Amino acid sequence: DGGITQSPKYLFRKEGQNVTLSCEQNLNHDAMYWYRQDPGQGLRLIYYSQIVNDFQKGDIAEGYSVSREKKESFPLTVTSAQKNPTAFYLCASMPYSPSGNTIYFGEGSWLTVV
Amino acid sequence: AQTVTQSQPEMSVQEAETVTLSCTYDTSESDYYLFWYKQPPSRQMILVIRQEAYKQQNATENRFSVNFQKAAKSFSLKISDSQLGDAAMYFCAYRRGETSGSRLTFGEGTQLTVNP
Repeated sequence: DGGITQSPKYLFRKEGQNVTLSCEQNLNHDAMYWYRQDPGQGLRLIYYSQIVNDFQKGDIAEGYSVSREKKESFPLTVTSAQKNPTAFYLCASMPYSPSGNTIYFGEGSWLTVV
Repeated sequence: AQTVTQSQPEMSVQEAETVTLSCTYDTSESDYYLFWYKQPPSRQMILVIRQEAYKQQNATENRFSVNFQKAAKSFSLKISDSQLGDAAMYFCAYRRGETSGSRLTFGEGTQLTVNP
């Protein structure tokens, strides 16, 4: 089935550790996104990528890093520089089209710092 | 920068009744898209309805419809014949009308409760 797969679903991190959240899509979409959601709040954009080997910072990029070596993959690394990383993380993708196609989301990953 | 505002943190409705969720946005663009997403307790983001700014006709999807007022920059969602399964967090979102890579900006959300 086509879709966006995020893993792991739940992740626990010790303070000072880097962790990487995986996002894979088999929809052949060009653009991919990472959003962060804190309890009771909306989604905030961390990073996005329009094409392979290119990405841009969103509104809250500090303490995060990404790569886009393959069209189908857009992993997010939460570094030790991110002071409050406990949150729900959503990956999304969108096809290239002038007709304003919709952004589709994965099922998300919960990150907890212990 | 574009902003999206949802002024109702919480709303409730009786089953089978109608409820309207409010959303306003701020943009200087003329070409853009507006969306309503539903997020149930599973946290999956589900597209409810989409509106293209260049279309004057309000979008409709079964029991869901929008009231798009472009001049007022208002985009409300009406849910008719509310069902228990409609209970969720609802997010209004904005996207510029460019091709690939355009980011989606979200409001803070409205938590909808459906009472039996």
